[in-house]
Amino acid sequence: DTGVSQDPRHKITKRGQNVTFRCDPISEHNRLYWYRQTLGQGPEFLTYFQNEAQLEKSRLLSDRFSAERPKGSFSTLEIQRTEQGDSAMYLCASSRVDNFYGYTFGSGTRLTVV
Amino acid sequence: QKEVEQDPGPLSVPEGAIVSLNCTYSNSAFQYFMWYRQYSRKGPELLMYTYSSGNKEDGRFTAQVDKSSKYISLFIRDSQPSDSATYLCAMSGGGYNKLIFGAGTRLAVHP
Repeated sequence: DTGVSQDPRHKITKRGQNVTFRCDPISEHNRLYWYRQTLGQGPEFLTYFQNEAQLEKSRLLSDRFSAERPKGSFSTLEIQRTEQGDSAMYLCASSRVDNFYGYTFGSGTRLTVV
Repeated sequence: QKEVEQDPGPLSVPEGAIVSLNCTYSNSAFQYFMWYRQYSRKGPELLMYTYSSGNKEDGRFTAQVDKSSKYISLFIRDSQPSDSATYLCAMSGGGYNKLIFGAGTRLAVHP
């Protein structure tokens, strides 16, 4: 296992289009997190899953955003009707439920909305 | 006011210098404190992790937490050009779930 994998690495989309990102966590990690990072800022928490259950969502996650983790394995983050303000790096991380040491981030998906 | 404040820099130092990076925070519930390094267009990479107050050393890196002052620090000794990156502090209140990050400090170490 080589770490947290995110796909695609970069997505350019027109305003109003829908986009979907995928995250494959480290296989033995049962927690999966999504963060958003804009230029010059630290990552901001969006949501997290423990196994297939979505346990917390940030107020940043508007109705246009939806995340799923079917079967507790990979996760998808969909943004509907994209806006220019959605342009950011979307980071996925995974961890074991009882340990911060292994809280590992992927390289992110950079979204550009034009 | 943000929960975690971090000076964005940039910080430019000569090779071999001791670097001091700092964050302050307002939430007294934070118990877990981390430092991440982020290279351009990459995800954050965990450098140091400390629970509650105290010091932790790992090679050239030392992390300090002072909960009474709500202040954490990362020291880098004998800095190298390869240390040039953005350093992010992060904190959590427990439950091993979400992290609250500072804005990151850009560090440049020049030969």
